[in-house]
Amino acid sequence: GNSVTQMEGPVTLSEEAFLTINCTYTATGYPSLFWYVQYPGEGLQLLLKATKADDKGSNKGFEATYRKETTSFHLEKGSVQVSDSAVYFCALSLYNFNKFYFGSGTKLNVKP
Amino acid sequence: DTAVSQTPKYLVTQMGNDKSIKCEQNLGHDTMYWYKQDSKKFLKIMFSYNNKELIINETVPNRFSPKSPDKAHLNLHINSLELGDSAVYFCASSQAEGELFFGEGSRLTVL
Repeated sequence: GNSVTQMEGPVTLSEEAFLTINCTYTATGYPSLFWYVQYPGEGLQLLLKATKADDKGSNKGFEATYRKETTSFHLEKGSVQVSDSAVYFCALSLYNFNKFYFGSGTKLNVKP
Repeated sequence: DTAVSQTPKYLVTQMGNDKSIKCEQNLGHDTMYWYKQDSKKFLKIMFSYNNKELIINETVPNRFSPKSPDKAHLNLHINSLELGDSAVYFCASSQAEGELFFGEGSRLTVL
C-alpha cells in the first residue's frame, strides 16, 4: 500500500537551532514527495516538493532530498525562527490516481 | 483573489441537523478534494472529483454527499450530524501531478 510516516511531535527548539523532521514513505510506483506547512488557524500550504529520486526541494531555508534507497524525505533547516512554529506534513502523490497521502503531521514549537 | 475559498469558515450546529459546506476554486484546476482534519491534526481524504466526476470515495458514511455542479465547485452536504463529525474540513484542488492548493478550512462543531 501507500503511506507516509513522520516523526511524532511536538518538537520544541530554541531559535537558531537546527531542525530535522523525519519522513519515510511506502509507495506502489514512483511518487512525488511534498512538505506542507500549516500555520495556526490556516489551511495547508506547499513548502517544497521533489518529483524524482535525488531531487532536492528547497524553500524559505528549508530543504529535503528525495532518497529512493532509504524511501525518505527528511525536512531540514539550519536555523529556525519563532515564525517557523507550525505543523509540518509530509505527503506523497501518485499520478495515476491523483491522490495524496499525508503523514500525521509534526508540530514544531520554536522558542525565543 | 483567494485561490480556493470555502464557506462557512465556522459552523456550530446540533446533532441530527443537516449542513452544507461550499467550495470554489479559481485556479482552473480539474481536480477537487474534500479532506477531514481531526483534533490531532490527522488529515484524511474523503472525496475527489475530476471534471465533475467522482474518482475517489474513501470509506465515508453515506451521510456525507459531495456534489460538483461544475469543475470549479465542490460542495459537501452532511445529513444527520453526529458528534464525531466535529472536525475541520478542507477543500483542495490540483492539476495533474501538481501540488494541492488548500482552502482555509471550515471548522464544524456538533453539539
